[in-house]
Amino acid sequence: KAGVTQTPRYLIKTRGQQVTLSCSPISGHRSVSWYQQTPGQGLQFLFEYFSETQRNKGNFPGRFSGRQFSNSRSEMNVSTLELGDSALYLCASSLWLAWGTDTQYFGPGTRLTVL
Amino acid sequence: AQKITQTQPGMFVQEKEAVTLDCTYDTSDPSYGLFWYKQPSSGEMIFLIYQGSYDQQNATEGRYSLNFQKARKSANLVISASQLGDSAMYFCAMSRRALTFGSGTRLQVQP
Repeated sequence: KAGVTQTPRYLIKTRGQQVTLSCSPISGHRSVSWYQQTPGQGLQFLFEYFSETQRNKGNFPGRFSGRQFSNSRSEMNVSTLELGDSALYLCASSLWLAWGTDTQYFGPGTRLTVL
Repeated sequence: AQKITQTQPGMFVQEKEAVTLDCTYDTSDPSYGLFWYKQPSSGEMIFLIYQGSYDQQNATEGRYSLNFQKARKSANLVISASQLGDSAMYFCAMSRRALTFGSGTRLQVQP
């Protein structure tokens, strides 16, 4: 079974631009979560989508948004990029059986650099 | 609020030896999951092992075992017979509605 895929793998943008990252979950997985990883803040939860609905959201500004399509694929968008948005963005998918027991499987990540 | 603490920023171990990576957690939820992930330099997070808060026995997955001590709120990862390919960052995480990660431990396996 194919794993979680993320595109693009690397991205360079300038301040003020916007960016869209894509994630395809493992076949059959309906929950997709996004995380941001930076050297200073570590791994932080952005949001989670299940059946095309945002079910949970982390503490990030409204510039960060996402959506999920009917085939469970997900995109996240960052508008008005800032230097501090430079990070590894990780997508994870899961079957979702119950809160707390759900094993999330991660993709390879998209490394975003904002100049 | 949930919190994960990993107090070992870096560790060295000789090839073929066992190593324990420490993890303590804090939560008021009675039901939660504890996870360990490995992150090589390539960046991908690789799932290693899961322990449920109601599980009576410690989880094991091949060379990985999780030493779960609920009263002490600890969930240490034990890697037996370390291999050079085990060199990576290791993250402990807790899940209730989303994963909360610790700061990680960088493990270096020496030949």
